[in-house]
Amino acid sequence: AQTVTQSQPEMSVQEAETVTLSCTYDTSESDYYLFWYKQPPSRQMILVIRQEAYKQQNATENRFSVNFQKAAKSFSLKISDSQLGDAAMYFCASSGTYKYIFGTGTRLKVLA
Amino acid sequence: SAVISQKPSRDICQRGTSLTIQCQVDSQVTMMFWYRQQPGQSLTLIATANQGSEATYESGFVIDKFPISRPNLTFSTLTVSNMSPEDSSIYLCSVELGGLAGSRSYNEQFFGPGTRLTVL
Repeated sequence: AQTVTQSQPEMSVQEAETVTLSCTYDTSESDYYLFWYKQPPSRQMILVIRQEAYKQQNATENRFSVNFQKAAKSFSLKISDSQLGDAAMYFCASSGTYKYIFGTGTRLKVLA
Repeated sequence: SAVISQKPSRDICQRGTSLTIQCQVDSQVTMMFWYRQQPGQSLTLIATANQGSEATYESGFVIDKFPISRPNLTFSTLTVSNMSPEDSSIYLCSVELGGLAGSRSYNEQFFGPGTRLTVL
């Protein structure tokens, strides 16, 4: 069975600072993907970043990067130079064959 | 990417009634998904809808309660039947699109804006 765990219900970060959101997962699949999704108050889910499990190199998208530790089944998201627009719920997700499993989310507050 | 619209964006319904939610995609897709997101919770998959076949429901969800139609490759509906206050939730549809990363294929889900349902 697949599980995704986000242990931080809420995080705060000062504008322009860096914050890391944690995620651990468990899967029996050998080929899978990991994702971070952002859900602003408008509730449209937006893909932030994707990591292929077979890749050792951590994915990066502008100010967003991941620390993927396959052996530890850890997949954290780092947001650099935080902006007010980064305030949202962030969901970690894993996908195997076709089903996506989502974590419970981390609410990120950005303080001006 | 895909542009997904849902109708209605929100509704307030009476107990015992039914509501049909529409999901429209701007491109043809094989797989469409329906999720429920209860207040302050994560997303829970209700069912997977493939065009031309019966929807596949996840544990805890049944066709009589959540009938789904998938008449073509760009459209799907989810009906919430005989509603009770416990059905108050956000309902999201999503689609899966494939891509290539080098020589490897991958799938990625894109979500609609959601339908906020309140049952009185």
